[in-house]
Amino acid sequence: ETGVTQTPRHLVMGMTNKKSLKCEQHLGHNAMYWYKQSAKKPLELMFVYSLEERVENNSVPSRFSPECPNSSHLFLHLHTLQPEDSALYLCASSQGGLAESTDTQYFGPGTRLTVL
Amino acid sequence: GNSVTQMEGPVTLSEEAFLTINCTYTATGYPSLFWYVQYPGEGLQLLLKATKADDKGSNKGFEATYRKETTSFHLEKGSVQVSDSAVYFCALSPPGYSTLTFGKGTMLLVSP
Repeated sequence: ETGVTQTPRHLVMGMTNKKSLKCEQHLGHNAMYWYKQSAKKPLELMFVYSLEERVENNSVPSRFSPECPNSSHLFLHLHTLQPEDSALYLCASSQGGLAESTDTQYFGPGTRLTVL
Repeated sequence: GNSVTQMEGPVTLSEEAFLTINCTYTATGYPSLFWYVQYPGEGLQLLLKATKADDKGSNKGFEATYRKETTSFHLEKGSVQVSDSAVYFCALSPPGYSTLTFGKGTMLLVSP
């Protein structure tokens, strides 16, 4: 138990569906991250939020829409996804802000997404 | 740009064997270096880290030394256990920036 929870753990959706992934951190951290983990590829950073402001969008298609309503919660809204978006989506948090390069990131267990 | 290269897996060992997983990096300045581990069905968790040159990170019998001259951060363990079977990720964060760049991961399989 890392103090970062993600729901749902598994999600199957059609290409026309709209769904949301939820992440919650119980650690009092200031920065939160979304990563995509695909088979045979390195983890890809998607979005970074620091103190509830989006500070990085790593060239992610607009069919992925993040939301950070407060420092403990992070959402990833999904719509009109493609089969190649099937992957494990990991949320992480770290204590400091974006400038703290020595900080440890704490990861949730991920949401396994399958797009049909 | 920043990049991390680690050896392809899977690495298959017998229990009590010596483990080395190679990791090299490309970055400007002095990044912080990390090893994360992912057990089946779980997210990543920090195994160890080093934040400046010549530092040695260690945890649970694993060690890695930050070598600036060879831009490397190889992971070692003297005697592996079946419970060490997992995927190991080398990663870096550049100076003044918390975002991580990961290698592709190395799967370790330890048999009794």
